[in-house]
Amino acid sequence: DVKVTQSSRYLVKRTGEKVFLECVQDMDHENMFWYRQDPGLGLRLIYFSYDVKMKEKGDIPEGYSVSREKKERFSLILESASTNQTSMYLCASSMSRAGTDTQYFGPGTRLTVL
Amino acid sequence: GENVEQHPSTLSVQEGDSAVIKCTYSDSASNYFPWYKQELGKRPQLIIDIRSNVGEKKDQRIAVTLNKTAKHFSLHITETQPEDSAVYFCAALLSGTYKYIFGTGTRLKVLA
Repeated sequence: DVKVTQSSRYLVKRTGEKVFLECVQDMDHENMFWYRQDPGLGLRLIYFSYDVKMKEKGDIPEGYSVSREKKERFSLILESASTNQTSMYLCASSMSRAGTDTQYFGPGTRLTVL
Repeated sequence: GENVEQHPSTLSVQEGDSAVIKCTYSDSASNYFPWYKQELGKRPQLIIDIRSNVGEKKDQRIAVTLNKTAKHFSLHITETQPEDSAVYFCAALLSGTYKYIFGTGTRLKVLA
């Protein structure tokens, strides 16, 4: 059974703080993704990675960076948190390089920036 | 940019009735279309998917239809039950990429 975990369910940070969101998957998946979920906007892709140390920008990468040093771990970094980054953050992973396999999601991190 | 439009944004049905959610995509070369269900406070989970080489797929009470010419696909839930209440997302895989474009979601309420 695929398991995708995220380091925190709830996080409260102050404007200007550096924030790390961690995601770990235990099924040796090639691809990992970070999404942001906001009411009425659905899921928007921030960054994704298709291999260790490889990353590509999604649709809304501004204000974010990512790190994938190991295959099972994909980190999202907010260099200087701002109030408009208050949101639900979802990590996902999928198996094959073909990209047509199921995405498995983590439980989400609800981030509040004050 | 490429997008996926999803309608309606909210849908209320009586228990036992059918529910239909519709999505339209812009990338004519997209070939994979999953549907996700997200219950309150939980993660999205895949409930059914369809590839571009078929027009319809069924799994018990849920079915998905695909019209490639119209770039349109739909989720059909029959004999709805209260536990079907959730937010449903459609998605399309952009051709030649690993990127999925998601619709904005439909909140389905099944009234007992």
